[in-house]
Amino acid sequence: NAGVTQTPKFQVLKTGQSMTLQCAQDMNHNSMYWYRQDPGMGLRLIYYSASEGTTDKGEVPNGYNVSRLNKREFSLRLESAAPSQTSVYFCASSEEVKRWGAFFGQGTRLTVV
Amino acid sequence: GENVEQHPSTLSVQEGDSAVIKCTYSDSASNYFPWYKQELGKGPQLIIDIRSNVGEKKDQRIAVTLNKTAKHFSLHITETQPEDSAVYFCAARTGYSSASKIIFGSGTRLSIRP
Repeated sequence: NAGVTQTPKFQVLKTGQSMTLQCAQDMNHNSMYWYRQDPGMGLRLIYYSASEGTTDKGEVPNGYNVSRLNKREFSLRLESAAPSQTSVYFCASSEEVKRWGAFFGQGTRLTVV
Repeated sequence: GENVEQHPSTLSVQEGDSAVIKCTYSDSASNYFPWYKQELGKGPQLIIDIRSNVGEKKDQRIAVTLNKTAKHFSLHITETQPEDSAVYFCAARTGYSSASKIIFGSGTRLSIRP
C-alpha cells in the first residue's frame, strides 16, 4: 500500500516549457487535490476533483490545468511555465465517508528558470 | 471566502513542556478539522482530527479541542520531545460530500529545546 505517489520528485523547467505532474493513489479515494506550498504561505489549493470525471478550481488555478484520468490518477499540467510557478507541489486524496482528512504525497519540487 | 488563521507562526518550548497552537475559522459550516505535521523535506502527515459534533479528542500526547461557538480549535502537545519539532498545519473542511474543500492555516514552526 503506497498511499499517494507523485512523480517526478524534482524538476527544473525553462520559462515557457510545459510539463505534467503525475499523481496516483491506491486507497480508493474519491477526492483528489493539488496544492502548492510556498515559503511563509502554507498550502494553497490549485484544483481539486471531487470524483472521477469532475474537476473544480481552488484558490490559485491560473496557469494550471488538471485531468482526472480515472479514480486513481489526477495530473497537473503547466502549459507555459513561469518563474512564479516555482514551488513545491503536493497531491492529496481523501475519502468521503468516515474520515475526510487528506493524505499527501511526498511532493514535487519544481524550479522554473 | 473561507479563511483559517493560525497562531503563533513560530513556537519554541523546552523539552517536556506543553505546546499549544490555535486556529480560528470563518465558515460556520465547517465540520471537520484535521491537524498535520510536516517534517523537513516531506509531505504533510495527518496526526489528529476532530469533527464538529465533538468538543475534544485525545491521542496519547496529542489532543485537539473545538469551540464551535467561537469558531476556534486548538492543538495541544504534552510532554514534548525532540521529534515533535516540525511545522504544524491546521485545516477546516466544509461540506459533507466529496465535493467539499479543505482550507489550511499558514502553519506553526514548533521547535523543542533540549
